[in-house]
Amino acid sequence: AQTVTQSQPEMSVQEAETVTLSCTYDTSENNYYLFWYKQPPSRQMILVIRQEAYKQQNATENRFSVNFQKAAKSFSLKISDSQLGDTAMYFCAFRPGTASKLTFGTGTRLQVTL
Amino acid sequence: EAQVTQNPRYLITVTGKKLTVTCSQNMNHEYMSWYRQDPGLGLRQIYYSMNVEVTDKGDVPEGYKVSRKEKRNFPLILESPSPNQTSLYFCASSFWGRGSGANVLTFGAGSRLTVL
Repeated sequence: AQTVTQSQPEMSVQEAETVTLSCTYDTSENNYYLFWYKQPPSRQMILVIRQEAYKQQNATENRFSVNFQKAAKSFSLKISDSQLGDTAMYFCAFRPGTASKLTFGTGTRLQVTL
Repeated sequence: EAQVTQNPRYLITVTGKKLTVTCSQNMNHEYMSWYRQDPGLGLRQIYYSMNVEVTDKGDVPEGYKVSRKEKRNFPLILESPSPNQTSLYFCASSFWGRGSGANVLTFGAGSRLTVL
């Protein structure tokens, strides 16, 4: 069974600074997909970024980028120029290429401060 | 607007009183799924459906039922709710494959359920 581990329950960063959220996963699959979802206080689940394992290039979306280390099974999220609106719970998620199940980590609560 | 709609958004009920949380999507997605979110546990999958009349158990299916009679609807049924089913529930849908938007779950707004 696949597992997703987020070892940082809570983090804090000052506005305009950079922060990195960690995620590791365990799988024997070679083809899979990785995601970061954001859950602000409104509770809505919002996709931040996704990465296909067959792509070596790290995905980026504006201020959000990932460091995908396939051999190490690591998928960290970097938020640059942090904004107050980035305050949220962030979930890392994994989906095998051959299955329909999406497995989530336990989340990292990020607080952006002035 | 492409969306997943779930109702009710909030519900307080009592132990043993059957309830249904509805979920509907307008994106013609084959895949639909239910998750529950509990503090410190992240999101855990309850049931999922690959298409009409095709459903399967997730990680925590006990105490829940689902059906998929139409592509757009995927209701979650609690036949005899118990306090340990107090949680935040999310319905989500997607299509699998490659290309833009593939494999990305679109979530409903969540349903906060309290069982007394």
